[in-house]
Amino acid sequence: GAGVSQSPSNKVTEKGKDVELRCDPISGHTALYWYRQRLGQGLEFLIYFQGNSAPDKSGLPSDRFSAERTGESVSTLTIQRTQQEDSAVYLCASSLRGIQGKDSPLHFGNGTRLTVT
Amino acid sequence: KQEVTQIPAALSVPEGENLVLNCSFTDSAIYNLQWFRQDPGKGLTSLLLIQSSQREQTSGRLNASLDKSSGRSTLYIAASQPGDSATYLCAVRPQVYNTDKLIFGTGTRLQVFP
Repeated sequence: GAGVSQSPSNKVTEKGKDVELRCDPISGHTALYWYRQRLGQGLEFLIYFQGNSAPDKSGLPSDRFSAERTGESVSTLTIQRTQQEDSAVYLCASSLRGIQGKDSPLHFGNGTRLTVT
Repeated sequence: KQEVTQIPAALSVPEGENLVLNCSFTDSAIYNLQWFRQDPGKGLTSLLLIQSSQREQTSGRLNASLDKSSGRSTLYIAASQPGDSATYLCAVRPQVYNTDKLIFGTGTRLQVFP
C-alpha cells in the first residue's frame, strides 16, 4: 500500500520568502507528526495532530511556523519569511493511535529538503 | 525534560560481527521506546517498538531490550551485513498528557564493510 508522501522532495527558496510543505499520511492514520532534521543532527519535534483534538504545537520554533491538518487527511507546514537557519529536512510521519500506551509504529515520509539561500 | 542519548555516535565493523547499540533516557516515565533506521536521503523506517511493560522485542537478527527503571535500551544486531549500514535512532514516548510526541536521540551511524 501507499506510504506517507511528502512534497516537494526538494525546495530551494530565497531568504524572506514563504514556503508550504505538504504531507499525505497513510489512509486511516489518525496521528500525524512533523519533525525537522538539520544536517548531522537528530530529529527535532515540531507539531503533532491527533484526529480532531487540539494539536500539540509545543515544538514550533517561532511564530513564523504554522501547520494545519483537515480532519485525518493532508497536512501542510508553512514557514513565513524564511531564514537561512530554517534550512533542514522536514519529515512527516503518521501512525494509528491505539489504546493508551499501546501505540503502533510511526511511518515516515522521505522528507522535504529545504534550502534557504 | 526528557533527553535521549545514543552511544557510540559512529561505528565501523567488518561483516559478520555481532553489535550492540546503546540508548539512554533521563526520565523513566515513558509509554514506549522505538528503534528506527535511516538510510541516506530517506525517511525513517521503524524496526522495533517496546511497550513500557515489556522487556524486549525481536525481529529477525534484531533484538531490542528495555530497562525502564535504569533508563536504558540496547539494540543487538546479530551477524551484521553490509546492508545493515545506516543510522540507527531510538526514540521514547514520554508519559505526557495530551500528546504522543516522540523524543529522539541523535543516532548511531553504522558502517558494515565486506
